[in-house]
Amino acid sequence: AQSVAQPEDQVNVAEGNPLTVKCTYSVSGNPYLFWYVQYPNRGLQFLLKYITGDNLVKGSYGFEAEFNKSQTSFHLKKPSALVSDSALYFCAVRDREDGGATNKLIFGTGTLLAVQP
Amino acid sequence: DTAVSQTPKYLVTQMGNDKSIKCEQNLGHDTMYWYKQDSKKFLKIMFSYNNKELIINETVPNRFSPKSPDKAHLNLHINSLELGDSAVYFCASSQGRFYSYEQYFGPGTRLTVT
Repeated sequence: AQSVAQPEDQVNVAEGNPLTVKCTYSVSGNPYLFWYVQYPNRGLQFLLKYITGDNLVKGSYGFEAEFNKSQTSFHLKKPSALVSDSALYFCAVRDREDGGATNKLIFGTGTLLAVQP
Repeated sequence: DTAVSQTPKYLVTQMGNDKSIKCEQNLGHDTMYWYKQDSKKFLKIMFSYNNKELIINETVPNRFSPKSPDKAHLNLHINSLELGDSAVYFCASSQGRFYSYEQYFGPGTRLTVT
């Protein structure tokens, strides 16, 4: 079965320090991977995606993610965290079991990022 | 202008009632989705429509019925509400049904069943 795992429920980091939010996936074939962010009482916002090409993907708000096929990972990173980055982060993979007929996403359980001033 | 909007934002109702949630997008997208986010923040797809055609129909109780009158609108009707239906329901849209289009989410409707 296809799945996405976010092993950390919460990540704590001091403002100005680099941050990493981890994601691993299990999918047949080439994965299409996404990161979304959810601020309190808001809908999800798209951050970035990996479809093909360069393993380092740059996205919104200074975030980037590195696709690692051998480790089946797609970790989200930022060189210098801001307090305003504090939010819930979701990794997602496109479901391929429908043969590509839809844009169905499988979401991870989310990681709460807390950036301390 | 709000890209994906939902009404109402909050919905409090009693068990057994029937309620509807409406969603509209002004992005010109042709694919729309309904998601359910439970109290643990777990997010799961329920339905998706592409050009008014139902293309994703996950295993949800048949008390839930989506309806898409046109590409810009997707509604969710819930019959005989149960306590377990309490959740936040998100509407989303994307440019297409295939490949890798990112999805744009509405602000959510918090449904509380008492």
